[in-house]
Order: sequence, then structure tokens, then C-alpha cells
Amino acid sequence: SYDLTQTPSVSVSPGQTATITCFGDVLRKQYAYWFQQKPGQAPMVLIYKDTQRPSGIPERFSGSSSGTTVTLTVSGVQADDEADYYCQSVTSSGTDWVFGGGTKLTVL
Amino acid sequence: QVQLVQSGAEVKKPGASVKVSCQVSTYTINELSMHWVRQAPGKGHEWMGGFDPEEGDTVYAESFQGRVTMTVDTSTDTAYMTLSSLRPDDTAVYYCATVFPVPGWGQGTLVTVSS
Repeated sequence: SYDLTQTPSVSVSPGQTATITCFGDVLRKQYAYWFQQKPGQAPMVLIYKDTQRPSGIPERFSGSSSGTTVTLTVSGVQADDEADYYCQSVTSSGTDWVFGGGTKLTVL
Repeated sequence: QVQLVQSGAEVKKPGASVKVSCQVSTYTINELSMHWVRQAPGKGHEWMGGFDPEEGDTVYAESFQGRVTMTVDTSTDTAYMTLSSLRPDDTAVYYCATVFPVPGWGQGTLVTVSS
């Protein structure tokens, strides 16, 4: 089992908006991070500290947080966005990292 | 994002040790809180340990206690992760990663443990 819970899969058509959610008690007090991972590739951070976007990440990737839920929104989905998306946070002690099981985004 | 470049793939026999390196650029190693994560084939991400800036010390996941050591070389801005007493189920891609002060992941190092 995972400390953070994600919906296993989301499917959207190109140009539509994909919403990926992550639930966990730790999210009430700790920041969330989102990364994209394609087969055979390293993770790429899309969002850090709930809502911040690293340089080079398109504005159509955005993050939000409310209570024990964080959300990654991908606007104007493109075929290249097809990948696995993971949320990450830390335990209440602030040291151990925890991960969600991942959400597979399929672009129809 | 911070740039993290890891060492190449390794093949080890059961019982051996492996040392994976992670060189930092655009920041110094002292500016980062470096962690290590592994991902076994077809599995999720497993946190192994990392530097806790509040404690000023490295914290290891309970499941790796006694088998893993994480060190840094400030002269070369390189972090190292050594895993000993390797077993076949240690076969995985090992990543260095950081979220503080900026996020970033290395490209990963495949470690294969096989007799």
C-alpha cells in the first residue's frame, strides 16, 4: 500500500483538461510534489511546494491544495503528456519521503 | 531545476556492495538536501534515506538500516550511496533526488544483482 492515494488512471482527449488527485493525511501539513515519468525515463518534477512550477515547465501544468487533497491539472492536454504522474510528500516528522502509486494519463 | 548526473549501470553478485555517485551542478552539494530513491522493475518508488537539514544528519529508511550509507564529497559536489549485502530483489533503478531548496532528480542508475 502507499501513504498517498491516487486514482490509477485518467483518460482525456487532446486539448481537454486532465485532473489528477492525490489524497493523504500528511498533505494537511506537508507540501506536495508532482512528477511525470515516462517508461524508461527519470522522473521530471512538474510542481513543487503544492503550487510552484520549476523553470522550463509549461504553464498548462498547475497544482493546488486543499486539506488532505492535492491536485495536478494539465490544461490543453497534448499527446506527449501521456505518462505516469506521481505525487510525493514527506511524513509528519518531516524526514521520510512518501509516494503515491501513480496515475496513468492516457491521451485518447 | 538542479542538475544531477549519476554514475553508470552496475552488475553485482549477491552479497556484494554497490556504490552509486551523483554529481551536482548549478548548486553546491551543501546547498541541497540530497535523498536516494529506488524503483524496482514494474514497482513504485521506495525512499531509502536522505539528509535532514533540521537535524544536520542523514536519516535512513528503516528497511535499509544497517545496509545503506549515504555520504557527500564537498570538494567535488558529489553524493554517494553505498548499498551492501546485495540480494536479487535489490535489482532496481536508483535515483538521487532533492526537493530543497529546488527540486530535481538524477537520470537513474540501474543496479542488477544476479549470480
